[in-house]
Amino acid sequence: AQSVTQLGSHVSVSEGALVLLRCNYSSSVPPYLFWYVQYPNQGLQLLLKYTSAATLVKGINGFEAEFKKSETSFHLTKPSAHMSDAAEYFCAVSNTGANSKLTFGKGITLSVRP
Amino acid sequence: DAGVIQSPRHEVTEMGQEVTLRCKPISGHDYLFWYRQTMMRGLELLIYFNNNVPIDDSGMPEDRFSAKMPNASFSTLKIQPSEPRDSAVYFCASSPRGLGNEKLFFGSGTQLSVL
Repeated sequence: AQSVTQLGSHVSVSEGALVLLRCNYSSSVPPYLFWYVQYPNQGLQLLLKYTSAATLVKGINGFEAEFKKSETSFHLTKPSAHMSDAAEYFCAVSNTGANSKLTFGKGITLSVRP
Repeated sequence: DAGVIQSPRHEVTEMGQEVTLRCKPISGHDYLFWYRQTMMRGLELLIYFNNNVPIDDSGMPEDRFSAKMPNASFSTLKIQPSEPRDSAVYFCASSPRGLGNEKLFFGSGTQLSVL
């Protein structure tokens, strides 16, 4: 079985401040990990993914995430928040097994204050 | 490419009525997924298809839900009869080679309200 945990449902930061969204995973086999973003009234879009290459993964819009096996974590960061980053962010996990399914966390809403 | 296309964008219906949601995946994508999004349960995978064949429907909540994929360019999710607890946003997604490390391409969703 596999799962992800995103603690909290809402994060608020000031424009220009560091963004840190936390994700912890559980998987019995080596995982693939993803961050998706959902803007209002839209479907999800892929921000970045980890597939067992480099542990530090860079994505679109200045976001990056680091895979830490010892902590079973895949936290999402961005050095400086922009107003346009306000959205809902989902961490997701799948694995290398046959017919592995993508399992999403509950999501975190990011608000950016001017 | 037009992306994954879902219709309708919004559906309001009364309890007991049949509801049909439609999805056109990206051309050439072999996998199609139906997800449901609610505040309480987040994003749940309902069913997915590979080359038009249903592979895993273990997420379908009950017999009132059914999904079909008659060809590579069209899929439907049907609820009959609908109930207020079915109110949610239903997303269709497709991917070129399926699961594992593949990126999913999502449609804009159908907002379903059952009164």
